[in-house]
Amino acid sequence: RKEVEQDPGPFNVPEGATVAFNCTYSNSASQSFFWYRQDCRKEPKLLMSVYSSGNEDGRFTAQLNRASQYISLLIRDSKLSDSATYLCVVNISGGSYIPTFGRGTSLIVHP
Amino acid sequence: SAVISQKPSRDICQRGTSLTIQCQVDSQVTMMFWYRQQPGQSLTLIATANQGSEATYESGFVIDKFPISRPNLTFSTLTVSNMSPEDSSIYLCSVETGVKSPEAFFGQGTRLTVV
Repeated sequence: RKEVEQDPGPFNVPEGATVAFNCTYSNSASQSFFWYRQDCRKEPKLLMSVYSSGNEDGRFTAQLNRASQYISLLIRDSKLSDSATYLCVVNISGGSYIPTFGRGTSLIVHP
Repeated sequence: SAVISQKPSRDICQRGTSLTIQCQVDSQVTMMFWYRQQPGQSLTLIATANQGSEATYESGFVIDKFPISRPNLTFSTLTVSNMSPEDSSIYLCSVETGVKSPEAFFGQGTRLTVV
């Protein structure tokens, strides 16, 4: 079983739609969680950290369920510019930050 | 935050040759990471490079194939040695900043094609 699993998609949604991505992780000792965004032929960039209490940044909401070892990202009112690959990232090691990446979920927002 | 300059951005190389990728960071960082990302796949950690010590390699990666240098806290190189077409991939260097909520920053990536 992979350490971090994501549905690769692609998710193909119209502008204005709400879309949710899920991610599961296998190591219960994981301590920090993130969503990164990667545009085509670009490097990944941090979208948002995921906190235990859940957090929201504009149209984006991230949630963590430690009991189920599950992370989610919700995007409301999708824009064309949201089209990208969204990577779930988990810090497996509690000491040093050595991130483990999911394979990413591709999102295509169409007019 | 951290700004990383990675080069070359892309290269096409003959099999059997070697390519050295460089990453320069605009601030001092303890650990630098080297990743490989094959088409449609996630980032796979190759090794962690600490200044003043040998790099730590992940399973499936060895120093003879991917020698790494870390001469100071702002610079690192990764060499892809004796290349074969299977080494064609994007190679990314990364650093992390922050303690309580670390964020990873990446170089722009090196798109390597081995022919």
